[in-house]
Amino acid sequence: QQQVKQSPQSLIVQKGGISIINCAYENTAFDYFPWYQQFPGKGPALLIAIRPDVSEKKEGRFTISFNKSAKQFSLHIMDSQPGDSATYFCPGSSASKIIFGSGTRLSIRP
Amino acid sequence: EAQVTQNPRYLITVTGKKLTVTCSQNMNHEYMSWYRQDPGLGLRQIYYSMNVEVTDKGDVPEGYKVSRKEKRNFPLILESPSPNQTSLYFCASSLSPGQGPYNSPLHFGNGTRLTVT
Repeated sequence: QQQVKQSPQSLIVQKGGISIINCAYENTAFDYFPWYQQFPGKGPALLIAIRPDVSEKKEGRFTISFNKSAKQFSLHIMDSQPGDSATYFCPGSSASKIIFGSGTRLSIRP
Repeated sequence: EAQVTQNPRYLITVTGKKLTVTCSQNMNHEYMSWYRQDPGLGLRQIYYSMNVEVTDKGDVPEGYKVSRKEKRNFPLILESPSPNQTSLYFCASSLSPGQGPYNSPLHFGNGTRLTVT
């Protein structure tokens, strides 16, 4: 079964700092590498995604980087804000299953 | 507004009393899925459906049933709930015609918090 290895499991960052979350995969059927953001009491929602034909995509303070040879992609949050405090997930695939790891709980200290 | 709607949002029940959690999407998505979320375990897939009348097991299907008689609806059925099914449940859907669920984002509902006593 496809493993999704997300790191770290939890992260505390000072306001204004850079948050970095990594996702490593084995083989994948994905042609699309997303990060999902989940606030307490809410369902996960797409934050940002990248296609493998590019190595980096930036949307505002959020940047996703893709390293195909290393089989990993990462999320960088610049100028982290308290409102970014949430759990972040990256998905993996196994046959037709879309699976998730345990997520990264990000806390931004004011 | 494009959305995935789950009902109810909260449900408290007793062991053995059959229940159904409904899920409906208005985006004409072919792929639908159920997940449960437990502390420290992330999102675990229960069942998924690639299209009408096509369903398959995820990683934790025991104790659950689903059906996909219409494209928009994908109810989750617990025939005889047990306390270990106390969890937060999410329904999700994805556009898949010609693309597959790996090529487009999952849209999640707002969850159903189930407590089985």
